[in-house]
Amino acid sequence: ETGVTQTPRHLVMGMTNKKSLKCEQHLGHNAMYWYKQSAKKPLELMFVYSLEERVENNSVPSRFSPECPNSSHLFLHLHTLQPEDSALYLCASSQIGDETQYFGPGTRLLVL
Amino acid sequence: SQQGEEDPQALSIQEGENATMNCSYKTSINNLQWYRQNSGRGLVHLILIRSNEREKHSGRLRVTLDTSKKSSSLLITASRAADTASYFCATDAVGSSNTGKLIFGQGTTLQVKP
Repeated sequence: ETGVTQTPRHLVMGMTNKKSLKCEQHLGHNAMYWYKQSAKKPLELMFVYSLEERVENNSVPSRFSPECPNSSHLFLHLHTLQPEDSALYLCASSQIGDETQYFGPGTRLLVL
Repeated sequence: SQQGEEDPQALSIQEGENATMNCSYKTSINNLQWYRQNSGRGLVHLILIRSNEREKHSGRLRVTLDTSKKSSSLLITASRAADTASYFCATDAVGSSNTGKLIFGQGTTLQVKP
């Protein structure tokens, strides 16, 4: 589980706050992902970065803004979120050509 | 639309019994994976089966794939309390392998009672 780390593990924020989620992978991978996991719903893919370029954006609202400064780090910048954005946000990484993804422990987000 | 659907949604068994979970999907795939998630944690990859394979084993895990029925099953034999977790199937879609895009099912919550 230490291959992919996420901080913070828990976050409570108001709808007017700005916060960032951080993900770091120590596996030498070249693709990274953000997923949202809400109760009673399947895991939803939000963003995919391959070789530090965004290659997938699944119609995610603009209040979520990803950033991938290098192949080891991935951020998710949050601003003016809604209560329905409360969820577990999971980061994952993989090596291009290898279908297996390695997940971090997630950030549990509560928007008040 | 949702790619993977799993059943049952919840399963409760006694330690030592076998647990079987099923997954159905809708489009053609290159491969299907199973992941496990302990409560509130990240997902852990268990096993991958390719579209040209019918069965695969890994320790106490046995996965089958029937591409004609677009379905897969995960069997955990001789279950242990530590197997208590949620189990998800994930599929890629033919043509999506370059992006690594996986589509997950809703998962089966397994409880193994000691």
